[in-house]
Amino acid sequence: SQTIHQWPATLVQPVGSPLSLECTVEGTSNPNLYWYRQAAGRGLQLLFYSVGIGQISSEVPQNLSASRPQDRQFILSSKKLLLSDSGFYLCAWITGTLGGYTFGSGTRLTVV
Amino acid sequence: SQQGEEDPQALSIQEGENATMNCSYKTSINNLQWYRQNSGRGLVHLILIRSNEREKHSGRLRVTLDTSKKSSSLLITASRAADTASYFCAPRGNSGGSNYKLTFGKGTLLTVNP
Repeated sequence: SQTIHQWPATLVQPVGSPLSLECTVEGTSNPNLYWYRQAAGRGLQLLFYSVGIGQISSEVPQNLSASRPQDRQFILSSKKLLLSDSGFYLCAWITGTLGGYTFGSGTRLTVV
Repeated sequence: SQQGEEDPQALSIQEGENATMNCSYKTSINNLQWYRQNSGRGLVHLILIRSNEREKHSGRLRVTLDTSKKSSSLLITASRAADTASYFCAPRGNSGGSNYKLTFGKGTLLTVNP
């Protein structure tokens, strides 16, 4: 079956510390992968997406970066977190072009 | 990509009542998707309606699409407390090919009171 794993579920990090969030997909190959962020009471903001290994497109310039070292692995990183990086981070995938997205369960990041 | 705009922003009803949420968008679409998000969780895909369809049903969900008005509605019949969640629409445009990115609005927060 097709599943998506996202971890950790919650994270509290100090300002200036690094960040690494991981997302992995099972049961499919060559998915399109996406990172979204949702601030409290807001909609989802698309941060990065990837259509293949090593291919990353950035939607919003900021101190975050993404990488796709393997077909079904998508990593969101930061060298130095800001308070404004707090939020709910969601990974999603789709195979093909016209179906629905499958979302992970999210990571609640609080930068203190 | 384009973003849908949900209306109302918040909706509170009693259990057993029907809930209707609306979505408007701006350009031509290939399909329109509805998602649900329970508090603190990821989004769950509910239903997809193609541009050549006018109505679609899935269990207690009924979605309509009016491409001439660039609008869609989601009806949840006989609502339950478990339907309490935020609901998002996501119009999928015709351009972009395999690089297409879905964007989401702020959603409608539905509260179903027991």
